[in-house]
Amino acid sequence: DADVTQTPRNRITKTGKRIMLECSQTKGHDRMYWYRQDPGLGLRLIYYSFDVKDINKGEISDGYSVSRQAQAKFSLSLESAIPNQTALYFCATSDMDSPLHFGNGTRLTVT
Amino acid sequence: GEDVEQSLFLSVREGDSSVINCTYTDSSSTYLYWYKQEPGAGLQLLTYIFSNMDMKQDQRLTVLLNKKDKHLSLRIADTQTGDSAIYFCAETPRNAGNNRKLIWGLGTSLAVNP
Repeated sequence: DADVTQTPRNRITKTGKRIMLECSQTKGHDRMYWYRQDPGLGLRLIYYSFDVKDINKGEISDGYSVSRQAQAKFSLSLESAIPNQTALYFCATSDMDSPLHFGNGTRLTVT
Repeated sequence: GEDVEQSLFLSVREGDSSVINCTYTDSSSTYLYWYKQEPGAGLQLLTYIFSNMDMKQDQRLTVLLNKKDKHLSLRIADTQTGDSAIYFCAETPRNAGNNRKLIWGLGTSLAVNP
């Protein structure tokens, strides 16, 4: 869905490095989310934000932080990457009454 | 706790109908969703149904909801090779409030054989 853009699409990094995954949207939605997807574990919510001044932890926020720089931008940071953070990361947006709309994902590998 | 379960794999022949099943535990669910994930892509919303509905049809897709049995199904008529993907069932529990915290199944991988 080109309305939700994630960068980069792929990233390989080393243990201990700080990295940032970025998400921008043109849907005009207030709500933005970060999920990670792992084989056999499905989708798990990391953080979500209802508006620029609102940040909430999801199920698995440890080791991650987020920044909502603007209504349209929501970035996810790994302060010190570790191998078990290797996963597919998705950004999603919604309005209060709308379903989630997902970006195409960032495949992160931590070596 | 809240849970959504799906079978992991389904294989069908091209042209046949596919039925992907999902069960959930939260009887207070408000919306139930079907998402499709093709290789290398994000999750695409296919369809969704509000909990006060029994059925929803959209072209080749038919969603059936049995609230008594907490069972949701997605039927794809005349399945094509382009339908090969992972299909996720998800629900919004009523107690989720406004945070849109969805409960996700693990996904059903649909393989369509020529």
